[in-house]
Amino acid sequence: GESVGLHLPTLSVQEGDNSIINCAYSNSASDYFIWYKQESGKGPQFIIDIRSNMDKRQGQRVTVLLNKTVKHLSLQIAATQPGDSAVYFCAENPGDTDKLIFGTGTRLQVFP
Amino acid sequence: DVKVTQSSRYLVKRTGEKVFLECVQDMDHENMFWYRQDPGLGLRLIYFSYDVKMKEKGDIPEGYSVSREKKERFSLILESASTNQTSMYLCASLGQGLAQYFGPGTRLTVT
Repeated sequence: GESVGLHLPTLSVQEGDNSIINCAYSNSASDYFIWYKQESGKGPQFIIDIRSNMDKRQGQRVTVLLNKTVKHLSLQIAATQPGDSAVYFCAENPGDTDKLIFGTGTRLQVFP
Repeated sequence: DVKVTQSSRYLVKRTGEKVFLECVQDMDHENMFWYRQDPGLGLRLIYFSYDVKMKEKGDIPEGYSVSREKKERFSLILESASTNQTSMYLCASLGQGLAQYFGPGTRLTVT
């Protein structure tokens, strides 16, 4: 079947290296951001979130960095593993509704 | 853990058929969402619901309707399926804060 990630930019990393996935968001009023991971044929899975009053948040092997000045969000994955291979996309909440605005995503490929 | 389930993983329907996609969440969440996901276009919001019997149009509601008779269940209806509605359909439920939790998706093919 057709992949949701057919036209996406791809990041290829070697197993064990760190990965950095970037996202430029659109609305300077956005005050909440989420990173999702989507494996082939599955629904998006919540990874980590961050509010605009923070510039960094760490989870298990993942770190999200927020730069409000340039409207940029990044997801860092430490010691990337084959199981991290997926499409990653960010989402922002503009603050006036419960709706999210989603980015189109980046495909992460991990090779041995 | 939040659990969102969708009635079918794969579905094949003919043009003109009425199609029902069902979504169930087990966390007593008030807000639920239906999206479609197409290559290169990302997630696009079709409809959402703030509570039982309440619904609002998203960005691409044309050709779709929804039903929310019970809090845990949110149904997406294609009144007369067309080939341009072939897509991956994702349901989500709004959890703590503003994080949306997704179901596994239904890949619908309309022939």
